[in-house]
Formats: sequence, structure tokens, C-alpha cells
Amino acid sequence: NAGVMQNPRHLVRRRGQEARLRCSPMKGHSHVYWYRQLPEEGLKFMVYLQKENIIDESGMPKERFSAEFPKEGPSILRIQQVVRGDSAAYFCASSPRQEETQYFGPGTRLLVL
Amino acid sequence: GENVEQHPSTLSVQEGDSAVIKCTYSDSASNYFPWYKQELGKRPQLIIDIRSNVGEKKDQRIAVTLNKTAKHFSLHITETQPEDSAVYFCAAQYAGNMLTFGGGTRLMVKP
Repeated sequence: NAGVMQNPRHLVRRRGQEARLRCSPMKGHSHVYWYRQLPEEGLKFMVYLQKENIIDESGMPKERFSAEFPKEGPSILRIQQVVRGDSAAYFCASSPRQEETQYFGPGTRLLVL
Repeated sequence: GENVEQHPSTLSVQEGDSAVIKCTYSDSASNYFPWYKQELGKRPQLIIDIRSNVGEKKDQRIAVTLNKTAKHFSLHITETQPEDSAVYFCAAQYAGNMLTFGGGTRLMVKP
């Protein structure tokens, strides 16, 4: 059973460009969570999605950030017009049901130049 | 919302000694408390977790205790080894939603 997959693992963008991060949950998992980790800091919740639904986006900035988890395909976190402060590691986690253990992917390390 | 405080931020122990990391949470509705280990540049990996209907859980050299009244929980690692060196994060969850993480503890085990 493959674990949570994320790609790309590293992403370099110039200020003003778009960043698109992908997350494929573990097989059988329909709940996806995105977290951001700034250097030398803990993980901060961004958004929680189920297939085709955003359940909780309270941790995601209102502007420039969006997330989706379509019926088919991976979950995508999209950051428009990136700024240097967006540089961080973005982790997604998945669980089979609500209140079940969350398993993390390897993360995408975004660097904005 | 939930707030999780974690102490200490750094912990250095001699190989073979025990290490204890403590966390407090603010929301009495939280009912699930996992601990993750993160090595440099790697993903957080679940090492042990506990639910609110249990006071203690043990897995080989690792144990977690939970005091619901005081709203704190602790990670205990016995007979530490150099490979235990990493950053450890506690977290709290309620209603099956997001995890709220503590700030992390950098554990260094000196050979």
C-alpha cells in the first residue's frame, strides 16, 4: 500500500508566478489535510478537504491560495502570485475517515526567489 | 480555537537516559493526541498516539500519558539511542478535524 505521495518534491518559483502542489492520498483515504511548515517552526493547518468538498479552510489565506480535491485525481494546492513569504515546506496528510490517524506525505519544498 | 504549548524546545540527553517532552492544550473537547517524529528534511512520522478515553499507552521504549483534567500529555522515551535524535511534535485534535501542533522539541542524544 503506497503511502501519501506529493509532487513535486522541490519547486522554485519567481515572485509573481503560480505554484501548483499535488497530493495523492493513500489508497482508500478520502480525507486530505494541507499543512505549512516554515523553517525551524511547527506545522500549521491550512485546509481540510474530502472528495469534491472543502470542509474547513480556516487556516488558508483568503487571497492567492486555493485548494481542491476533485472526484478523480490528486488534491491540488494552488498559490497564485507567489511572494517570498510563501517559501516553506507544504505537507499533505490523509486519513481513511474522520477522527482516524493522519499520515503525512514527503512534502513539497517551495522556494520563491 | 485550540492552542498547544510544547516544552522544552530543545532537549539534550546522554545515550541510555530517558527523555520527557510535555504538552498542554486549551480545548477540553480535544480527544485525540498524536506524537510525530520529524528528521531533517523528512516527513512527520507518527510514533504513538492516545485517545481521551485512555490515560497511558506504551510501545516498546515509547510511552504517552494523558491527564484530561489538567489538559496535558507527555511523551516518554526510555533508553535513548542516537537514532532518536530528531524534532518531536505533539498535536491535539477534536471532532476529527485538523491537527493543532505544538512548536516542536529538538531532541539530541549524545553517544
